[in-house]
Amino acid sequence: AQTVTQSQPEMSVQEAETVTLSCTYDTSESDYYLFWYKQPPSRQMILVIRQEAYKQQNATENRFSVNFQKAAKSFSLKISDSQLGDAAMYFCAYRSAWGGSQGNLIFGKGTKLSVKP
Amino acid sequence: DGGITQSPKYLFRKEGQNVTLSCEQNLNHDAMYWYRQDPGQGLRLIYYSQIVNDFQKGDIAEGYSVSREKKESFPLTVTSAQKNPTAFYLCASSPNRELSGNTIYFGEGSWLTVV
Repeated sequence: AQTVTQSQPEMSVQEAETVTLSCTYDTSESDYYLFWYKQPPSRQMILVIRQEAYKQQNATENRFSVNFQKAAKSFSLKISDSQLGDAAMYFCAYRSAWGGSQGNLIFGKGTKLSVKP
Repeated sequence: DGGITQSPKYLFRKEGQNVTLSCEQNLNHDAMYWYRQDPGQGLRLIYYSQIVNDFQKGDIAEGYSVSREKKESFPLTVTSAQKNPTAFYLCASSPNRELSGNTIYFGEGSWLTVV
């Protein structure tokens, strides 16, 4: 079974600086998808960025980028120019490329990010 | 606006009662999901449905039931058999069930508390 591990329960960053959140996963599959979701105090899960495992190029979305290391099974999220609105829980998630129950999301336990003004 | 609507936002249940959480989507998505989130935890899958009139158990289905009579609706019933139902519940949906890589989108969630 696949697992997702986020080893940093909490992180803190100064406004306008850069922070990196770590995520590792375990799978025997070669084709899959990885996601970072943000959960602000409102509790809604918001997609931040996604990565297809077959793509070597790291995904980027404005101030958010990932460092995807497939061999190491690592998928870290870098937030540049941090803003107060970035403060939230961040969840790393894995989704198999296969359909059915294997296609469901598997979540890590999350990292709580605080942004200091 | 397109989206996923969950209601109610807050719900209180007495011991021994069944309660139903509503989830409606107007995104024309094929697949719908129910997740449970406990404090300090990630999300765990309760049930999912890839097509109307069909659904499957997730990792923690015991004490829950669902139906999928319409494409846009996927209500979750928390039965009295669920011994620890106090949690935050999130409904989600995604397009075309054949394309597993499609992103899963979430509603705003519902808080259920047992009193």
